[in-house]
Amino acid sequence: AQSVSQHNHHVILSEAASLELGCNYSYGGTVNLFWYVQYPGQHLQLLLKYFSGDPLVKGIKGFEAEFIKSKFSFNLRKPSVQWSDTAEYFCAVSDMRFGAGTRLTVKP
Amino acid sequence: DTEVTQTPKHLVMGMTNKKSLKCEQHMGHRAMYWYKQKAKKPPELMFVYSYEKLSINESVPSRFSPECPNSSLLNLHLHALQPEDSALYLCASSQETGQRLYGYTFGSGTRLTVV
Repeated sequence: AQSVSQHNHHVILSEAASLELGCNYSYGGTVNLFWYVQYPGQHLQLLLKYFSGDPLVKGIKGFEAEFIKSKFSFNLRKPSVQWSDTAEYFCAVSDMRFGAGTRLTVKP
Repeated sequence: DTEVTQTPKHLVMGMTNKKSLKCEQHMGHRAMYWYKQKAKKPPELMFVYSYEKLSINESVPSRFSPECPNSSLLNLHLHALQPEDSALYLCASSQETGQRLYGYTFGSGTRLTVV
């Protein structure tokens, strides 16, 4: 079965800092990978997805993620975070289960 | 229409009550899901319907009873719940089972409180 792990449980950054959230997956075959965001009090939204092709994927709100097959990783990045990026971020594979999530707090 | 609509948004029920949660999508998706989400935790898969048939039940207690009357509707019937069942219940849909190429579309959820 496919699974993902997110090692950063809570990340605190100041505005304009760069962000990288880790996601590692366990499946050795072809995978589809996703990042979702859940803003406080809101529903889960798809940030970006990877299924083939260019391993650098660009999503909404200035986020991007890089698929590195040799490292089984799909880390989420943003060059400069804003206070409005404060949210819970979940990594997921094409199986129906999610990583534990990373809470991002951006201080103004 | 690119949304998944869940009703009600909030529900408070007693442990002896019977209530139902409703989920609707008109995107032609053939897979629909119920997830349970506790605060600060990831969504936990409960049920999967594929082409209106229950395909996965993640060992959910029988006090939760799903129903898929047609390809656009998904219900979750609740009976004799416990306070620990209080959570956000999320409905999601996708073109086919599993996220595959396109990911899920999630509804806003029903915030359930069992008293």
